[in-house]
Amino acid sequence: GEDVEQSLFLSVREGDSSVINCTYTDSSSTYLYWYKQEPGAGLQLLTYIFSNMDMKQDQRLTVLLNKKDKHLSLRIADTQTGDSAIYFCAESSYSGYSTLTFGKGTMLLVSP
Amino acid sequence: SQTIHQWPATLVQPVGSPLSLECTVEGTSNPNLYWYRQAAGRGLQLLFYSVGIGQISSEVPQNLSASRPQDRQFILSSKKLLLSDSGFYLCAWKGTGGEQYFGPGTRLTVT
Repeated sequence: GEDVEQSLFLSVREGDSSVINCTYTDSSSTYLYWYKQEPGAGLQLLTYIFSNMDMKQDQRLTVLLNKKDKHLSLRIADTQTGDSAIYFCAESSYSGYSTLTFGKGTMLLVSP
Repeated sequence: SQTIHQWPATLVQPVGSPLSLECTVEGTSNPNLYWYRQAAGRGLQLLFYSVGIGQISSEVPQNLSASRPQDRQFILSSKKLLLSDSGFYLCAWKGTGGEQYFGPGTRLTVT
């Protein structure tokens, strides 16, 4: 079945760039997604990229997709303490109906 | 614009008691709806999926059931809660690009 892997923890200093990595196994994925979850809250969709794209930029966020290696990354420029959260990578799966397969999430801790 | 509501926000229930969690969506019609559980280990587990009224797909056989009595209402239930049912329950609806939008969640503690 499909699988999505992420490193569990990342620590950076305020003002630095953060890079969160993700690998996936389903080569038929159409879209790949990044979600942010703050403590006690639901998941917030940050951005997504279509599988025929290599890069997508949205303000401080840059998504890079290497489809050959099935590797996805999220770069956050000028990381702020408010960016501290858990970040989930997800891929779409179309096995008869539409579901998302999520990684276990990367906890980003930004220190001042 | 679309919004998704969940209630209650928090719930503490004894083992063996029933459960009913509600999710409603506004601003869209006939959405695909999802229930997830997020345990302390952080990962999300898809519990149920619905493409329309009365249509429920169960991903994991367990102590829970789901119903969709109205187009924009999705309910998660249990007749008798277990300790292992504790967790953070999230409802989501599917957008046009396959993305999912999540509600604020319900924190359930079974004692």
